[in-house]
Amino acid sequence: GESVGLHLPTLSVQEGDNSIINCAYSNSASDYFIWYKQESGKGPQFIIDIRSNMDKRQGQRVTVLLNKTVKHLSLQIAATQPGDSAVYFCSDLSGGSNYKLTFGKGTLLTVNP
Amino acid sequence: DAGITQSPRYKITETGRQVTLMCHQTWSHSYMFWYRQDLGHGLRLIYYSAAADITDKGEVPDGYVVSRSKTENFPLTLESATRSQTSVYFCATTTGNYGYTFGSGTRLTVV
Repeated sequence: GESVGLHLPTLSVQEGDNSIINCAYSNSASDYFIWYKQESGKGPQFIIDIRSNMDKRQGQRVTVLLNKTVKHLSLQIAATQPGDSAVYFCSDLSGGSNYKLTFGKGTLLTVNP
Repeated sequence: DAGITQSPRYKITETGRQVTLMCHQTWSHSYMFWYRQDLGHGLRLIYYSAAADITDKGEVPDGYVVSRSKTENFPLTLESATRSQTSVYFCATTTGNYGYTFGSGTRLTVV
């Protein structure tokens, strides 16, 4: 079946640096994508989303880029802070899927002080 | 408090026992979901519900039963627990306008 996957399982950055987390998806019908942050012992928390009619969306310190040609999205975190340390998941949704999200396996981001 | 709550937070049960995980939401959202999270697999959908009395299987439904007699509750039952069902279980809900909210999870250990 089709799935959402991540290029790297772990990412370690220095505090203050920018972080980039990548994700590949395979469902060409996916039209909505969400990035989640999951801290230890907690449920996934919404970070930012993007629809397939957009290439880029910015939030507070976070930017999501979508490249539909190569089915790739990325999450950029500016000025990474220790509180950003968590597992980050990308997820996708296609119209008619009854709102069932498909998740990637996650990337563990570690921010070193 | 408004939100989505799961209970219990932690559960240890023996192989073969029946166990029910509870999920309650205060918003009356139509859609509710149960996911399990295992190392190396990410989040996998077990069951979902589009409305009261409407449920359907997800990716990994075997060994699980759900019900949705009321919009706000979506319990997940393991009919005869197995060690392979040791996992962290998350309930989620959405308005249907793509805003998803997850519960804090139930960590289940089957011994």
